[in-house]
Amino acid sequence: GAVVSQHPSWVICKSGTSVKIECRSLDFQATTMFWYRQFPKQSLMLMATSNEGSKATYEQGVEKDKFLINHASLTLSTLTVTSAHPEDSSFYICSAFLRGTSTDTQYFGPGTRLTVL
Amino acid sequence: GDSVTQMEGPVTLSEEAFLTINCTYTATGYPSLFWYVQYPGEGLQLLLKATKADDKGSNKGFEATYRKETTSFHLEKGSVQVSDSAVYFCALIASNYKLTFGKGTLLTVNP
Repeated sequence: GAVVSQHPSWVICKSGTSVKIECRSLDFQATTMFWYRQFPKQSLMLMATSNEGSKATYEQGVEKDKFLINHASLTLSTLTVTSAHPEDSSFYICSAFLRGTSTDTQYFGPGTRLTVL
Repeated sequence: GDSVTQMEGPVTLSEEAFLTINCTYTATGYPSLFWYVQYPGEGLQLLLKATKADDKGSNKGFEATYRKETTSFHLEKGSVQVSDSAVYFCALIASNYKLTFGKGTLLTVNP
């Protein structure tokens, strides 16, 4: 149980275009999802918290107009990288938050590798 | 604020060796503690977790015990395999549902 999928798994785009990444919780409902960015050989950097039916909360230093987040349903959150540039190339990972009877846990998707040419 | 400190790698072991990756934390309240594993080119997988003092999380031969007195959650495995080669992240969730990660430890197991 607690499976999270991401689509696409990798994408290559030209500079200036926009790219949408989907994050789905397959077997549970998630009112809260998180978006992370990971640079090579580094830990995950939290970008934003996505809440179903409300605006996302962005971490300090993350441009909300560049990284658009939409959490339209209890199983789907999307991250759109607008007007992508080579410096946006990275590994983007989402997680879905599951409230448990004994503990709350985040379950992660497999990640999306974005390369901007 | 909350923080997680884990031993810096890389760690290189031979197959069947004993593994310990140290992790200590600082947090307000009573956090839940986690170990995640990331295989090359993949996202993070939950390896094990513990929610309160003296709880032991275990999975796939890995174990970690929540030690409140030493604020630690060290990861151990008695006999590692080549397939255990990955990056291991210690993490906690405190009061705001956000995960705080350590920097990760790269483990390489040689046959």
